[in-house]
Amino acid sequence: GAGVSQSPRYKVAKRGQDVALRCDPISGHVSLFWYQQALGQGPEFLTYFQNEAQLDKSGLPSDRFFAERPEGSVSTLKIQRTQQEDSAVYLCASSLNPRGGLSEQYFGPGTRLTVT
Amino acid sequence: QQPVQSPQAVILREGEDAVINCSSSKALYSVHWYRQKHGEAPVFLMILLKGGEQKGHEKISASFNEKKQQSSLYLTASQLSYSGTYFCGTERGTNAGKSTFGDGTTLTVKP
Repeated sequence: GAGVSQSPRYKVAKRGQDVALRCDPISGHVSLFWYQQALGQGPEFLTYFQNEAQLDKSGLPSDRFFAERPEGSVSTLKIQRTQQEDSAVYLCASSLNPRGGLSEQYFGPGTRLTVT
Repeated sequence: QQPVQSPQAVILREGEDAVINCSSSKALYSVHWYRQKHGEAPVFLMILLKGGEQKGHEKISASFNEKKQQSSLYLTASQLSYSGTYFCGTERGTNAGKSTFGDGTTLTVKP
């Protein structure tokens, strides 16, 4: 595709509900990242995939957060039993470079999650 | 460890110059810069790898001093379109993918 796409763009969830956020990276991009961005702050690393392998998940805040990229393209970030502190914009980025931190990352528009 | 950006905010008139700094307490392998406009995705500006290089992109350039663990972004003859929040992202080389971003510098360019 032309760029990284994410869906839904906006999600309102009641506390305790499960949500699934989708990311479609640029075709052929090896690296895929998930970030959480709170208002007025920079993107905070959640997890990183190289193809289908999740190489780093050190940024996931709790075991309620789970990410997968089963075929090395589309990725899903799942949050179980959402809590109010999960409210944020969730950004996905992809990179052509297998060592993603060393090259340009293309960001998607994000999913704004509001937990009520 | 999150890099520290300074200043937090800058207000300029069109045509003025600005410098945004990014400092880390840890050794860095690369620094990358992004600009994010309100409600939009961050857009890549440039990446610098260790080696103290300087890069330029039109009227925006950056330097990376690995000994000082610092990078600076230089915006010359600013244009209205430069307004936005600038983030630096750092990678330490010990982890292939993890980038750590600063909290951003908000730049406002006025006519």
